[in-house]
Amino acid sequence: NAGVTQTPKFRILKIGQSMTLQCAQDMNHNYMYWYRQDPGMGLKLIYYSVGAGITDKGEVPNGYNVSRSTTEDFPLRLELAAPSQTSVYFCASSYSTSGQGHGYTFGSGTRLTVV
Amino acid sequence: AQSVTQLGSHVSVSEGALVLLRCNYSSSVPPYLFWYVQYPNQGLQLLLKYTSAATLVKGINGFEAEFKKSETSFHLTKPSAHMSDAAEYFCAVSVASGGSYIPTFGRGTSLIVHP
Repeated sequence: NAGVTQTPKFRILKIGQSMTLQCAQDMNHNYMYWYRQDPGMGLKLIYYSVGAGITDKGEVPNGYNVSRSTTEDFPLRLELAAPSQTSVYFCASSYSTSGQGHGYTFGSGTRLTVV
Repeated sequence: AQSVTQLGSHVSVSEGALVLLRCNYSSSVPPYLFWYVQYPNQGLQLLLKYTSAATLVKGINGFEAEFKKSETSFHLTKPSAHMSDAAEYFCAVSVASGGSYIPTFGRGTSLIVHP
């Protein structure tokens, strides 16, 4: 079982550059989430999706965009990278939106540095 | 809106001692509650979850947590700490909002285990 796969694992961007963080899950989960993790701040929800074609903003969506064209994939786009976006990004998925069953399954993260 | 408070950003115990990690939540409706563990440079792994069944929940690696509605708490305990328990622990709450459940995470507690 691959679970949730995130690529790349590490990336250094220059200010103003753009990139896409990839996330794919093979568990046929409808619900997918993007979080950022900053030291001492826990996880902040950026965007989430309740199914293909449906996305919604989380707590900290500014500077990011998402799309959900298939059940499996949920890419996160940074258009104009800023130093404030230096963080570790986690993608997660769940069978039910409440987390019943197996809870939320997380990828191994993407460590992004913007210089 | 729900929130999660984890008391103590760091908890230090000796190997073999009791582990107690505190989590309090605020929610106007019955929540689903989770504890996750994060080892260095890894994603989050589900330890245990409360989904309105038994109030005492047993998880992996000998951890358990008790849901106390009157205290709005969901503290994590383990009778005897092991060196391998050293990690970051996150409490999370999932509450219905507009037809979906949005998981919210606490800031995390770093567990340090001394020999």
